[in-house]
Formats: sequence, C-alpha cells, structure tokens
Amino acid sequence: AQKITQTQPGMFVQEKEAVTLDCTYDTSDQSYGLFWYKQPSSGEMIFLIYQGSYDEQNATEGRYSLNFQKARKSANLVISASQLGDSAMYFCAMSTDSWGKLQFGAGTQVVVTP
Amino acid sequence: DVKVTQSSRYLVKRTGEKVFLECVQDMDHENMFWYRQDPGLGLRLIYFSYDVKMKEKGDIPEGYSVSREKKERFSLILESASTNQTSMYLCASSLSGDEQFFGPGTRLTVL
Repeated sequence: AQKITQTQPGMFVQEKEAVTLDCTYDTSDQSYGLFWYKQPSSGEMIFLIYQGSYDEQNATEGRYSLNFQKARKSANLVISASQLGDSAMYFCAMSTDSWGKLQFGAGTQVVVTP
Repeated sequence: DVKVTQSSRYLVKRTGEKVFLECVQDMDHENMFWYRQDPGLGLRLIYFSYDVKMKEKGDIPEGYSVSREKKERFSLILESASTNQTSMYLCASSLSGDEQFFGPGTRLTVL
C-alpha cells in the first residue's frame, strides 16, 4: 500500500526566511509522480510543483523547489523568501498510475509572521 | 485557465436525505475526481472517472455513488446521508496523469 507522511502538523516561519516542509512516501512502484499543493484559508487547492520519479534534477518553480531524495523516499518542499501570502496548508501527494489518482499526506499548516 | 466549479460552497442536509454534489470543468479533461477532506487525514479519494459513463472506486467509496453522463460534469451522490459524511468535498479534473485542478470545495454538514 502506498503512503504519504508529513510529520510536521504546523510551523511558524518569519517573513523572508526559507522553510522546508517534509514529505516521505512509500511505494514499491518504480514509476510515480510527486506533487505539492497549497490550500489557503479560502479552501481551494493550488498546484505548486511536480517531480517525476525518473527526473534526475530537482524540480523548481519560482520560489518553490522540491528536494527529491529517491533513495530516502523523500520529497521535501522548500519555499524561499517566505511571504505573508504563503500562510496556508501544504499537502504532499503521490500518483502511481496513468490516471493520476492522488494519495495525499495529512498536510502541514504554515504560518508566516512579519 | 482551467476552471472547476462546484454547485455549492456550503450545504446542510438531514440524515437520510439524498444529496447531490455537482462538479463541472471547462477544459475538456478526461479525468475527474471526488475527494473528501477531513482534519488530520488529508484528502482521500472517493471515486474517479476517466471517461463518460466510466467510473472507478477510490479508497473510500462506501456510502457514495457517482454519475458522469457528460464529459464536463461529474456528480457525487450520497444515497442516504449520514452524520459521518459531514466533511469538505473537493472535485478535481486532469488531462491524463498531469496535475489536477481543483474546485473551491463544498462544505457539507449532515444533521
């Protein structure tokens, strides 16, 4: 059975600092995709970044980067230069089939303080 | 921009009622998904559909059914609502296995 683990229920970070959100996954499949989503208090899920299991380079999207360590089965999200608008719940998710069904972690609540 | 809309942001129903949650996407995506979100559990897949009239159970299908008569519309049905189905329901769509685009969610309360 696949599983996604996010061990940090919540964290505070100061504005302009970098923050790392942990995510570990468990699968016996060789081909899989890892996703990070942001959910602000408004409730809508916003796609942030994607990493394929065969991608050799870590994915980056603006201030977001994914620290992919395949042997450790970890896919940590790094947000650089935090902004107040980054306050939200962040979910790590994995897909192992061609339809892209997602399995989500429990999420990490991030609060950015001035 | 992909847009996924859900029929209601908030819904209050009574135990035993039949409940319909509607989801519409405007980008011709083949795949559509229904998740429920509960605190501490993340999102869990209820059902998904990869084509019109095609559906597959997700991880927690019990107590739910779905309908996809048109490509753009995917409905979640609670045949007889129960209090343990009080939750946030999120619909999503995607093209093949790409990232999913989510609707704003429906917060359902069953009394």
